[in-house]
Amino acid sequence: EVQLVESGGGLVQPGGSLRLSCAASGFTFSSYWMHWVRQAPGKGLVWVSRINSDGSSTSYADSVKGRFTISRDNAKNTLYLQMNSLRAEDTAVYYCVKSAGRTTVVYFDYWGQGTLVTVSS
Amino acid sequence: SYVLTQPPSVSVAPGQTARITCGGNNIGSKSVHWYQQKPGQAPVLVVYDDSDRPSGIPERFSGSNSGNTATLTISRVEAGDEADYYCQVWDSSSDHPGVFGGGTKLTVL
Repeated sequence: EVQLVESGGGLVQPGGSLRLSCAASGFTFSSYWMHWVRQAPGKGLVWVSRINSDGSSTSYADSVKGRFTISRDNAKNTLYLQMNSLRAEDTAVYYCVKSAGRTTVVYFDYWGQGTLVTVSS
Repeated sequence: SYVLTQPPSVSVAPGQTARITCGGNNIGSKSVHWYQQKPGQAPVLVVYDDSDRPSGIPERFSGSNSGNTATLTISRVEAGDEADYYCQVWDSSSDHPGVFGGGTKLTVL
């Protein structure tokens, strides 16, 4: 059974930093792209970032580029999101998501339960 | 960047058919995927590659895609289908390729 368990969320002041982790199990983690998707309270889903299977390639939404860094440790089956210079508008539930499909056709077949990040003074 | 447009809400009586649209420029040339999200829960994939269903998703859920509109169709709607539905594409030509529609709230009357 595929499991994705996020951790690391919490309350942080504007300008602060936080690192999210996602422990993956039930599949060959090192073979799949992984993503972070977020959802602000009462709002829709927003794709944040993706990383390829060996960690050599990443991409980001414009809203987080230069502030967030996605990474992975395939030996530990863990995905990370380092979030710096946090803003109030980064307040959201952050989902760790497993990728499916092909390089040019990507969708999300398994989602974690999410971890809430609140940016407030 | 690529934009997907969904109606904010759709209402349907139990047993009827619900159709949720997702508009985008020449979306028929892309593969569209659909997610269901119930309150307090993570999204669940219900249709991928326009019209395929993951295992465990009822046949009542189907999809189509042509021209500038993709459609998620839910037949014989049940109370348990009440949820938010999101369409999604992957715009591989973009630096930020992940794109979701704004979501549609399905209300079962």
